[in-house]
This record gives sequence, C-alpha cells and structure tokens, in this order.
Amino acid sequence: QKEVEQNSGPLSVPEGAIASLNCTYSDRGSQSFFWYRQYSGKSPELIMSIYSNGDKEDGRFTAQLNKASQYVSLLIRDSQPSDSATYLCAAYTSGTYKYIFGTGTRLKVLA
Amino acid sequence: GAVVSQHPSRVICKSGTSVKIECRSLDFQATTMFWYRQFPKQSLMLMATSNEGSKATYEQGVEKDKFLINHASLTLSTLTVTSAHPEDSSFYICSAKGQGAGYEQYFGPGTRLTVT
Repeated sequence: QKEVEQNSGPLSVPEGAIASLNCTYSDRGSQSFFWYRQYSGKSPELIMSIYSNGDKEDGRFTAQLNKASQYVSLLIRDSQPSDSATYLCAAYTSGTYKYIFGTGTRLKVLA
Repeated sequence: GAVVSQHPSRVICKSGTSVKIECRSLDFQATTMFWYRQFPKQSLMLMATSNEGSKATYEQGVEKDKFLINHASLTLSTLTVTSAHPEDSSFYICSAKGQGAGYEQYFGPGTRLTVT
C-alpha cells in the first residue's frame, strides 16, 4: 500500500525559530509533492509544491525534496504563533491520479 | 487565483433525509475534483474522484449509492448524501485540480454535516 508518513507531533518551537517538518513516501512513482497547512476546523490550504530534487523557497517557507531517499521536508523560518497548525504532506502519482496524504504533523509555535 | 467554493458551509439534517453539497471552481476549469471526509482529529480520507462528464471513481469501502457524485461541468461537482444517518456526520471537503501542467489541488472551505 502506498503511504506517506509523518510524525504526528506535536512539534513545539519558540517564536522566531526554524520549524522543520519531515515526510517520507513509499511510492517511487510519486512525482509531485505538496505541503498543506490546516487550522483546526478549517480545510487545508496549499503552502508549497515541489517537483524536482533540491530546495524551493517561497517567503519564510522552504520545501526540500530528495527522491533517492524518498524524503520531503518543509522548513519554516522565523516561526510565528500564527503558524501553529497541522501540516499535511501529500504525494501525487499521475499513474493513479490520486493524492496520498500523510496524517499530518501538529506544530505549536510558542510565544 | 485558484479559488474553490463549497456550499453550504454547515448543514444540519434529520436522519433519513438527503443533503446535497456543491463544489465550484471559481476562476479555473477543474478537470478533476476530489471529495474527502475528515473526522475530528483524523486525516483526510479520500471518498471519490470525479472527472467532468464521467462517472466518479469511489474508494474502497465508500458506498456509491449512498454518496452520489455528479461532475456536470468543468466548474461544478456535487455530492449528495442520501438517507443520511448520524454516523455520516463529518466534515466534507472538496478539492479541484486544474487543467494546467501543474498538479496542485485546491481545497474548498468544507461543509460540516450534522445528522440528528
């Protein structure tokens, strides 16, 4: 069964620190990867997409992809209390036309 | 850009009745829409994938006769929960994937269904 795995947390970081969120996937056919942020009671919001090995930066967020290790990460710099949420990692495989989600990592940024 | 709306945002219905939820892509054409269900403190569970003009593909364990999905146009998909029961109470979220080269999917705000 194709899986995306994340540590459920909670991951607690002080305000202003770097939060590092990790994700591994089992399907080598996965080609696109996404990070979503979900606040309690709300639907997921797309933060980053990454398709190629390496880093991709967007503001305070950096996504990293290593296809050889089947590993995706999200770094949040200068973490703010408003970043406190559950972060979902997802992998898309065009062969199945589906997105496989991890169970999410709960992040707490302490003021 | 890439806005997806869902209506209603919240609905309460009596056991045995049916409820229809609409999902619209407002500023792009969605070749594929997905329907998810999420119970409290759990992750998203994919219910079905719908492509415009085709029958929906349901995930294992999801009753297609209970959860009717129609994707009549490139901007509208509907989910009808038929003969709802209290155990169907959940947060239903749709998402849409555009026609472009990217594979991003964008989520609607969700519909909280409570069956009494």
